[in-house]
Amino acid sequence: GAGVSQSPRYKVAKRGQDVALRCDPISGHVSLFWYQQALGQGPEFLTYFQNEAQLDKSGLPSDRFFAERPEGSVSTLKIQRTQQEDSAVYLCASSPQGSTIQETQYFGPGTRLLVL
Amino acid sequence: GQQLNQSPQSMFIQEGEDVSMNCTSSSIFNTWLWYKQDPGEGPVLLIALYKAGELTSNGRLTAQFGITRKDSFLNISASIPSDVGIYFCAGQWSNTGKLIFGQGTTLQVKP
Repeated sequence: GAGVSQSPRYKVAKRGQDVALRCDPISGHVSLFWYQQALGQGPEFLTYFQNEAQLDKSGLPSDRFFAERPEGSVSTLKIQRTQQEDSAVYLCASSPQGSTIQETQYFGPGTRLLVL
Repeated sequence: GQQLNQSPQSMFIQEGEDVSMNCTSSSIFNTWLWYKQDPGEGPVLLIALYKAGELTSNGRLTAQFGITRKDSFLNISASIPSDVGIYFCAGQWSNTGKLIFGQGTTLQVKP
């Protein structure tokens, strides 16, 4: 499969637990995005990478959220001390070039996070 | 967070009927996109619009980029059961790749 993959697909965490969500973009894609989708809502932007550089993290809701892409391919979104309001689907998307305008973003299936 | 205003919220139609949904924003966008999301999957791009006034078709789907650059609509003609899903509009500015999504329109088609 050549699409964007994410793991785990489902994660149940106890409040206060740390979680790490993984995204494998399409091979060779320069740009990588993370979005958060609450139940019944559209996705909301979290952060954007161009290769290993995090160029926009304006959507991260708090300092408990941290994302990295150290080698410019796989990315990890980490949430520390999870809260119930963090329950959502976390979507990853990638696009081929660093110039992101007029480029299709290909989405993964998402990780569904439930915080109890 | 900022979102686009998408309507209707849901639609329940008979197979073969035409469908129309639209999206408005207080902000100007340089690109409008329409996505479809099936349960348990990520959004899939249906149509992308890059110029104000542009009218683009993709099979039974037609979308337009409003002249004011603050709105867009999507039409689906002769709906079929596999059109069921959630449709999202999304806007994009010129100097960032991030997408701003609407709240979605849930479409159900009765065979």
